[in-house]
Amino acid sequence: AQSVTQLDSQVPVFEEAPVELRCNYSSSVSVYLFWYVQYPNQGLQLLLKYLSGSTLVKGINGFEAEFNKSQTSFHLRKPSVHISDTAEYFCAVSETGDGKLTFGQGTILTVHP
Amino acid sequence: SAVISQKPSRDICQRGTSLTIQCQVDSQVTMMFWYRQQPGQSLTLIATANQGSEATYESGFVIDKFPISRPNLTFSTLTVSNMSPEDSSIYLCSVLQFYEQYFGPGTRLTVT
Repeated sequence: AQSVTQLDSQVPVFEEAPVELRCNYSSSVSVYLFWYVQYPNQGLQLLLKYLSGSTLVKGINGFEAEFNKSQTSFHLRKPSVHISDTAEYFCAVSETGDGKLTFGQGTILTVHP
Repeated sequence: SAVISQKPSRDICQRGTSLTIQCQVDSQVTMMFWYRQQPGQSLTLIATANQGSEATYESGFVIDKFPISRPNLTFSTLTVSNMSPEDSSIYLCSVLQFYEQYFGPGTRLTVT
């Protein structure tokens, strides 16, 4: 069975600083990986996804993530954050690509001025 | 990208009653999903709803508690039956389209 661990429940950073949100997964087969963002009182929005190919994936709003198969990780990064990036971020994995996602516990990113 | 709407957006219900949540998609999709997000928790898949077949429930979820309908390729309903305070959650509808998963805005349910 697949599982996802987001290593940090909360990450505070200052505006324009870089940030990394960590995600590790466990699966016995190849996986598809996703990062979603949830702004306060809003639904989930897909930031980026890894299906195959290049291990460096670029998403919306300047975010990127790198798939590392040997370390079973899919960390999310942004070189310079804005106040508007304050939100909760979820890492998710799918073993079959059939829409059944397993989510991590979420990381609350708070960007301070 | 698929655009998903849900009704109601929020509701406060008394224990023992039932609530039906509607999910409408702006395009035809084969697979629709219902997720639950309990307060301060992550999302958990309740069931998969395909048009023309019975919904498939994940471990810990049963049809008697969460009956689902899928009458066509753009619409689904989830009913939360015989509610208790533990059912207070955000319920999200989701669809799969071209390997991308889209989510509705959610229905925030509070059971008193």
